[in-house]
Amino acid sequence: DQQVKQNSPSLSVQEGRISILNCDYTNSMFDYFLWYKKYPAEGPTFLISISSIKDKNEDGRFTVFLNKSAKHLSLHIVPSQPGDSAVYFCAASEPGNQFYFGTGTSLTVIP
Amino acid sequence: DAEITQSPRHKITETGRQVTLACHQTWNHNNMFWYRQDLGHGLRLIHYSYGVQDTNKGEVSDGYSVSRSNTEDLPLTLESAASSQTSVYFCASSESIRGPQHFGDGTRLSIL
Repeated sequence: DQQVKQNSPSLSVQEGRISILNCDYTNSMFDYFLWYKKYPAEGPTFLISISSIKDKNEDGRFTVFLNKSAKHLSLHIVPSQPGDSAVYFCAASEPGNQFYFGTGTSLTVIP
Repeated sequence: DAEITQSPRHKITETGRQVTLACHQTWNHNNMFWYRQDLGHGLRLIHYSYGVQDTNKGEVSDGYSVSRSNTEDLPLTLESAASSQTSVYFCASSESIRGPQHFGDGTRLSIL
């Protein structure tokens, strides 16, 4: 059973607008979350992380929000750029345990 | 620059054959991981290692094995390849056990 879910397989956004990618999880013991970005024929690259002691973490155009009560996190990209077009994976882990990955959301930023 | 490389990038083999995928990292990380990526499943952990001579089973380890004889390499072996093991395989390493992982560019394996 998938413990980390990304229910939107794809998302299209106009350049300059906000992209919001969502991720839900079922395990309440998860306390550390990562987002990765993946281009075709390449491996995922780390984007941003958040631990459960925070509800927000920012890095430049990227912000991750965590809602522990809803078991939901989201990645906001503002403003979106064509180079942001990629597949985005969220991943979650509990202390001492492996990371579980979502199925990914393919973002297309339209110039 | 430090990197993590996987070889081969593409491989086609037949069912029943033994296959070994190579992973080499120059980050000097103790922690190394093997994942497979399949449509509808995202990335799933196969095996991982926290140091030389240490190996552990992940979520989908059946039919796979790894060995860790040095810090730089974690080869993944399919003892008797099955068509269900057709997938894209990624190797990764990290400085800390739960830290961000550096991924290789993947090996696309087709088993006919």
